Amino acid sequence: GAVVSQHPSRVICKSGTSVKIECRSLDFQATTMFWYRQFPKQSLMLMATSNEGSKATYEQGVEKDKFLINHASLTLSTLTVTSAHPEDSSFYICSAKPSGRSGGYTFGSGTRLTVV
Amino acid sequence: QQPVQSPQAVILREGEDAVINCSSSKALYSVHWYRQKHGEAPVFLMILLKGGEQKGHEKISASFNEKKQQSSLYLTASQLSYSGTYFCGTPEGNAGGTSYGKLTFGQGTILTVHP
Repeated sequence: GAVVSQHPSRVICKSGTSVKIECRSLDFQATTMFWYRQFPKQSLMLMATSNEGSKATYEQGVEKDKFLINHASLTLSTLTVTSAHPEDSSFYICSAKPSGRSGGYTFGSGTRLTVV
Repeated sequence: QQPVQSPQAVILREGEDAVINCSSSKALYSVHWYRQKHGEAPVFLMILLKGGEQKGHEKISASFNEKKQQSSLYLTASQLSYSGTYFCGTPEGNAGGTSYGKLTFGQGTILTVHP
């Protein structure tokens, strides 16, 4: 089956610093990667859609200059949280789906970000 | 627009049944169902593509009524491993079966199964 590897699984950073989260599709080419954020006991909220070789599309209310997304290859998408603040602490998850295959989306294992 | 799930939470004893509903205010062409364990990523359960379609996976099945813009997930003879938060997800656009747009998730239903 399709596998998406996400790293790191947990990260603690100081306020004002930047954190990079990587998602790799291991056995398929992900032309599109979706990035979600999930606060405790809440649903997954889509932040942005990244497409290989083009600019990401951000959902309303998501600051594109704060959450930088790069999708430089068909197997790698990254999310960089810049100048992180405590309110950015959350669970960040990526997901993708192999083109041409039936079935649902595959999610990465998630990154628990804590900003102190 | 976020689909609405009900109930918000369900508590069961092993062997009992449960139904989780998902409804949308917009036209639906397909519905996804996922289960998320605490601290983990969601795992795909099934997708329903056709109106009135029903699918099953072991003792978990689902139905989809596109006219009513609703889907229901049925958990039969629940097991401890069924505990988790269940989300329905509605894709953007007209799903052709092998390609979808972004998913919008319902608020989730927390299912707890006790021995």
